[in-house]
Amino acid sequence: NAGVTQTPKFQVLKTGQSMTLQCAQDMNHNSMYWYRQDPGMGLRLIYYSASEGTTDKGEVPNGYNVSRLNKREFSLRLESAAPSQTSVYFCASSDAGQGWNEQFFGPGTRLTVL
Amino acid sequence: DQQVKQNSPSLSVQEGRISILNCDYTNSMFDYFLWYKKYPAEGPTFLISISSIKDKNEDGRFTVFLNKSAKHLSLHIVPSQPGDSAVYFCAASKIQGAQKLVFGQGTRLTINP
Repeated sequence: NAGVTQTPKFQVLKTGQSMTLQCAQDMNHNSMYWYRQDPGMGLRLIYYSASEGTTDKGEVPNGYNVSRLNKREFSLRLESAAPSQTSVYFCASSDAGQGWNEQFFGPGTRLTVL
Repeated sequence: DQQVKQNSPSLSVQEGRISILNCDYTNSMFDYFLWYKKYPAEGPTFLISISSIKDKNEDGRFTVFLNKSAKHLSLHIVPSQPGDSAVYFCAASKIQGAQKLVFGQGTRLTINP
């Protein structure tokens, strides 16, 4: 099992460029999440998908869009990148249902917007 | 509005001693609390959790304490080992629904030999 995988690992963009961050999980989890980590801010939720076919905004959704392509894959798109989106992005998944279920995180994508 | 706060950005502890990491929260609707550990260039990994119906949960060297009236939780690591050097994030969630996590800012723990 690879767990949660993310591509790319690193990316440098110029202001105004677009890109899509890819995430896939092989644990048959229902729920998937995108977080960003900034110094002194912890991890903040951008968007989440409670189940296949649904997506909802998290704490910091502005400037991002998501697609839950199927049960395995959840992508994050930056349509017009801004320097404020320089961050480390983490994808996570969980089998959210009855009771608490642990979230598993991918290794992250380090994005720099110049 | 920071709903989960870790007020100590860093902590340095001698190997073999106890490490105590603290976390405060403001939202009384949270009913599940977790600690995640993060090494550089890796994603966070789940360490230990506690439900709001308990005040203590233990797993080997790791114990989490919850004081609901004070809206405070702490993670104790005994004895501390060099491999425990990492950033520790406190997180809170509601059990029902999508189980979104709200994270604290993190505390960098350094274990000195």
